[in-house]
Amino acid sequence: IAGITQAPTSQILAAGRRMTLRCTQDMRHNAMYWYRQDLGLGLRLIHYSNTAGTTGKGEVPDGYSVSRANTDDFPLTLASAVPSQTSVYFCASSVVTSGMGEQFFGPGTRLTVL
Amino acid sequence: ILNVEQSPQSLHVQEGDSTNFTCSFPSSNFYALHWYRWETAKSPEALFVMTLNGDEKKKGRISATLNTKEGYSYLYIKGSQPEDSATYLCAFKNNAGNMLTFGGGTRLMVKP
Repeated sequence: IAGITQAPTSQILAAGRRMTLRCTQDMRHNAMYWYRQDLGLGLRLIHYSNTAGTTGKGEVPDGYSVSRANTDDFPLTLASAVPSQTSVYFCASSVVTSGMGEQFFGPGTRLTVL
Repeated sequence: ILNVEQSPQSLHVQEGDSTNFTCSFPSSNFYALHWYRWETAKSPEALFVMTLNGDEKKKGRISATLNTKEGYSYLYIKGSQPEDSATYLCAFKNNAGNMLTFGGGTRLMVKP
């Protein structure tokens, strides 16, 4: 693994189904993030984690949950998917030192909820 | 919700033209301003992280300036090339946490 990986690459999902998007990084970054990208709205933060064992809500957290059991993994779960969650999802990570840290992004997961 | 705006939303230029675009952000509680380059079908990649008022950073033909007192940053591309075609994102970080708030991006298309 080099950098950040996400799985699956894309997924079509029926409304009401549960889905977990996976994110793994091998850079030993302490902070990780989930964003969704929608046309005209840029990247919006869903949830974040500053360190293993802690998580926080971003701008658009409703309908999503996350966990951070270890440094490397940061899965995003949709408990009961709805069509408005159709989007491209990006995972990112950064080093939290002085707080400047640039973010490194995964390749994205394209999710379609029908 | 912090207001981070970028203009223009899109820009078409000819190869060789120089261009610039703007990111505006809250002038209070400033901590850092990031610029990212996002090519189609790829992931965003960091260009610059800027923290000091008056800061100017350069990477090849791309440079950026920062004015934290009035809340804006400019990104300049000198002599645009087709490979510069991408969406350029700015992101604001305040001193209240570790999160970035992204602008909507400027989509640059450089015609050969």
